[in-house]
Amino acid sequence: GAGVSQSPSNKVTEKGKDVELRCDPISGHTALYWYRQSLGQGLEFLIYFQGNSAPDKSGLPSDRFSAERTGGSVSTLTIQRTQQEDSAVYLCASSKTSGIADEQFFGPGTRLTVL
Amino acid sequence: GQNIDQPTEMTATEGAIVQINCTYQTSGFNGLFWYQQHAGEAPTFLSYNVLDGLEEKGRFSSFLSRSKGYSYLLLKELQMKDSASYLCAVLNTDKLIFGTGTRLQVFP
Repeated sequence: GAGVSQSPSNKVTEKGKDVELRCDPISGHTALYWYRQSLGQGLEFLIYFQGNSAPDKSGLPSDRFSAERTGGSVSTLTIQRTQQEDSAVYLCASSKTSGIADEQFFGPGTRLTVL
Repeated sequence: GQNIDQPTEMTATEGAIVQINCTYQTSGFNGLFWYQQHAGEAPTFLSYNVLDGLEEKGRFSSFLSRSKGYSYLLLKELQMKDSASYLCAVLNTDKLIFGTGTRLQVFP
């Protein structure tokens, strides 16, 4: 497709369960970013990938969060043992390169609700 | 620390001009972005400033003063569809650090 896609669009889970969120960046974009947006809050940076490498993991909230990217394309954000405070919209973005001010293109997001 | 401040909410009238301010204090600076986000949708790019001055793009203009840690987004000839949140974000090396956004409501 022409844009960034994310799946699922909505996910409702029970506290303590694991969830996987998927992001398909724009073809050819080398950088991929994960953010989350809690209700009424600004966007919070989580992690970014340059190719398959994640040079900056400082934004991950806890060790329950992990992310990987394979083939320089699809990325998966995994949250283990979900907590209610993990409820948020998780946004993925991609850009042609990173470190330069390339525009980041955002996907539609995954709305995660932890009951 | 990283700090980006913008007003929480603003209102304006259709056809008017509105200026949304953003001040920042960050450990690094590689430019400043403005994004528009309609309710329930992903952000979309509006502008990018890395040098001081005004960048004009149609009805939208963005200004930057690096020495003052200050930017503003100027929206002219407001339309109802401009009702949205406007996010100021500083590029710090490879991270975008966002403010909490300014919710703009345009009334007829």
